Amino acid sequence: NAGVTQTPKFQVLKTGQSMTLQCAQDMNHEYMSWYRQDPGMGLRLIHYSVGAGITDQGEVPNGYNVSRSTTEDFPLRLLSAAPSQTSVYFCASSSGSTSGRYFGPGTRLTVL
Amino acid sequence: SQQGEEDPQALSIQEGENATMNCSYKTSINNLQWYRQNSGRGLVHLILIRSNEREKHSGRLRVTLDTSKKSSSLLITASRAADTASYFCATVSMNSGYSTLTFGKGTMLLVSP
Repeated sequence: NAGVTQTPKFQVLKTGQSMTLQCAQDMNHEYMSWYRQDPGMGLRLIHYSVGAGITDQGEVPNGYNVSRSTTEDFPLRLLSAAPSQTSVYFCASSSGSTSGRYFGPGTRLTVL
Repeated sequence: SQQGEEDPQALSIQEGENATMNCSYKTSINNLQWYRQNSGRGLVHLILIRSNEREKHSGRLRVTLDTSKKSSSLLITASRAADTASYFCATVSMNSGYSTLTFGKGTMLLVSP
């Protein structure tokens, strides 16, 4: 099993550009989530999904969109990138919402 | 907002010593989890303790939970240089019927040979 995979590993954007961060898992997990990690702030929840077709907002959802069309994939879309979105983004999955999470390796995003 | 707060923010010890990290949280929880993050890597789940449990062991890890004080501790015994990492506590609480995991800011552990 590959576990949780994320692409790309690194990305540089200009302010106003849009992009999609990809996340996939091969463990047939229903629950998937996106976090951002900033220095001194720990991890903060952006969006999560409890199954295909069901998503909800986390603590810091503004500027991000998600959809869940399959169990395996949970992409995160930045609509119009801003410097405040410079961060490391982690995708995670689990068998249930109360279970331990499996994390991907992260995407380091810089917005100029 | 952060639910868990780890203490200390940074800890430096010698190989062979024990490392203790503490976590405090604010609201009622379903369970509390500890994660490790090596520099530049993703987080790795270490251990989960449910709200009705008081202590749990996994190898060299020992976790305690005191729900009356809303606090938890992670003890790593006989530390090794490979234990150098950041350690995060995270709490699971109910949110509109679905549970979300909320992280603290972490403790940076340095284990010197």
